[in-house]
Amino acid sequence: ETGVTQSPTHLIKTRGQQVTLRCSSQSGHNTVSWYQQALGQGPQFIFQYYREEENGRGNFPPRFSGLQFPNYSSELNVNALELDDSALYLCASQPEWGGTYEQYFGPGTRLTVT
Amino acid sequence: TQLLEQSPQFLSIQEGENLTVYCNSSSVFSSLQWYRQEPGEGPVLLVTVVTGGEVKKLKRLTFQFGDARKDSSLHITAAQPGDTGLYLCAGRIRTSGSRLTFGEGTQLTVNP
Repeated sequence: ETGVTQSPTHLIKTRGQQVTLRCSSQSGHNTVSWYQQALGQGPQFIFQYYREEENGRGNFPPRFSGLQFPNYSSELNVNALELDDSALYLCASQPEWGGTYEQYFGPGTRLTVT
Repeated sequence: TQLLEQSPQFLSIQEGENLTVYCNSSSVFSSLQWYRQEPGEGPVLLVTVVTGGEVKKLKRLTFQFGDARKDSSLHITAAQPGDTGLYLCAGRIRTSGSRLTFGEGTQLTVNP
């Protein structure tokens, strides 16, 4: 069984640019959540996708957007990058809606904005 | 305002010592999970607790969910250097779907 994978592992961008991060969910998982983890802090919920629809959003501006594809993989897009967007971006997948909602995390993408 | 408060924020102990990490909130959680995270990696799920008063054991780790489902604790017996890492609690509130709210984490260092 393949776990959650993310790409790229590291990325350096300049302020004002746009970035796309990718996530492949664990086999059999149809729900994907994205989190931002700043250095020294716990992860903060960005949004969640369930069956290709956004299913909840945290306190992040509209320049953070996402997609989920029919194979349940997902993308996180960030426009007009700001220095404060530098963080570890985590993707987590979970099995069918319901149950204990256990989420399984990928290794993350480290984004540095200069 | 942090919904989940973890304490202590940092903990440095010697191998063989026992320790307890606390996770507290004023909100009631439908379920609560504990994760361990190493530098540059994603959090790894350790346990999920769902019933008030529930106690789960995972080798030297003991997890407890408060009776009112507002707090939780993680106790490690005879800590080892391999236990070093960032321990995160994360709760799910019934009205927030499956979104997880994380605490700030407890950075544990176990010295040989």
